[in-house]
Amino acid sequence: GENVEQHPSTLSVQEGDSAVIKCTYSDSASNYFPWYKQELGKRPQLIIDIRSNVGEKKDQRIAVTLNKTAKHFSLHITETQPEDSAVYFCAASSYTGGFKTIFGAGTRLFVKA
Amino acid sequence: GAGVSQSPSNKVTEKGKDVELRCDPISGHTALYWYRQSLGQGLEFLIYFQGNSAPDKSGLPSDRFSAERTGGSVSTLTIQRTQQEDSAVYLCASSSLAGGRNEQFFGPGTRLTVL
Repeated sequence: GENVEQHPSTLSVQEGDSAVIKCTYSDSASNYFPWYKQELGKRPQLIIDIRSNVGEKKDQRIAVTLNKTAKHFSLHITETQPEDSAVYFCAASSYTGGFKTIFGAGTRLFVKA
Repeated sequence: GAGVSQSPSNKVTEKGKDVELRCDPISGHTALYWYRQSLGQGLEFLIYFQGNSAPDKSGLPSDRFSAERTGGSVSTLTIQRTQQEDSAVYLCASSSLAGGRNEQFFGPGTRLTVL
């Protein structure tokens, strides 16, 4: 079945450093790749997404890259701040009669002040 | 406008009892998802409704789990004969699928504890 692997499971960085989270997916039909941020005790919220016809997308301090051939996509956060501390989930979604979405296991990011 | 709402926010039940969890999606959203999140874990896909199409039930862990979506709006997730391993936060999300994007708006979740 479909699978999304996410690494690392935990990431600790110093404030101001960059953080990179990587995901791989198995379903070659996947064409939409969102990233969600879940702060402690809160619901997940979309922070950035990318579609398969685009290789890279940037929004201020966050960027996502996609390599469809290798089925890899990554989240990059630059100039990290303590408020970036949260769990980040990648996901892969495909329109095969719908938009079933498979999430990665999550990365717990700690940004140390 | 109003976001996705879920009820109850917390549910404590005894092993073997049935429970019903409710989700009210954002008005006009055609897609509705149920996920399960165990403590400190990821989002486990359970079931997906899209318009009037047959739901994708491929994520339901056993036949004790079922879900309905009435009138293309409110959804109910039912767990029969609950087991302790069913304890988790059950999250509902809805999406308009506008522009080929699938931004999912999550509800606050229902925390289920099976004693």
